[in-house]
Amino acid sequence: DAKTTQPNSMESNEEEPVHLPCNHSTISGTDYIHWYRQLPSQGPEYVIHGLTSNVNNRMASLAIAEDRKSSTLILHRATLRDAAVYYCILRDGSNDYKLSFGAGTTVTVRA
Amino acid sequence: DAGVTQSPTHLIKTRGQQVTLRCSPKSGHDTVSWYQQALGQGPQFIFQYYEEEERQRGNFPDRFSGHQFPNYSSELNVNALLLGDSALYLCASSSHPGGLEYFGPGTRLLVL
Repeated sequence: DAKTTQPNSMESNEEEPVHLPCNHSTISGTDYIHWYRQLPSQGPEYVIHGLTSNVNNRMASLAIAEDRKSSTLILHRATLRDAAVYYCILRDGSNDYKLSFGAGTTVTVRA
Repeated sequence: DAGVTQSPTHLIKTRGQQVTLRCSPKSGHDTVSWYQQALGQGPQFIFQYYEEEERQRGNFPDRFSGHQFPNYSSELNVNALLLGDSALYLCASSSHPGGLEYFGPGTRLLVL
């Protein structure tokens, strides 16, 4: 399984942007980059995913490096509800459909 | 539109017992995956069911088995429970294998 590396934790102030880095130097051509988050006492929640181009949705933006060896999840204005564990996951788009979660980044948002 | 539902929410068993956990997928979804999440760790893939067959399996012993019914709901069975099986068991569904997975709230299993 391709691996990702994320910082253990990050802190942010409310209303400020949060940039969550993820390194995936062994990414293969068929790997999609997925981000999920898990709020306390809940199941993981899909945030965003992409292959090569930057992606935006109502929750966040995903910036993917040109060589695809790293990516950054951007929360544009953090709220207290964004406090969660954020997981960066590589998922093979060909025939290996499982999500391989690492330890993730614990995001704390200060009021 | 109901999301993924799981039952029960909590369960306490003793070592050696057997347990069955249940999952109803999101409306319109036909693929169900199961994950185990130990305290403080990320979820680990157990297996995926599609068309009532196990399509992919993670690194879990045969004590872990499952089933998918014609209505796409699924069960996870664990035999001969060990203390180490204590975890949050998550069910995820998707519209097809490889589709975006949506997770349920999980079943918290405690083995004493």
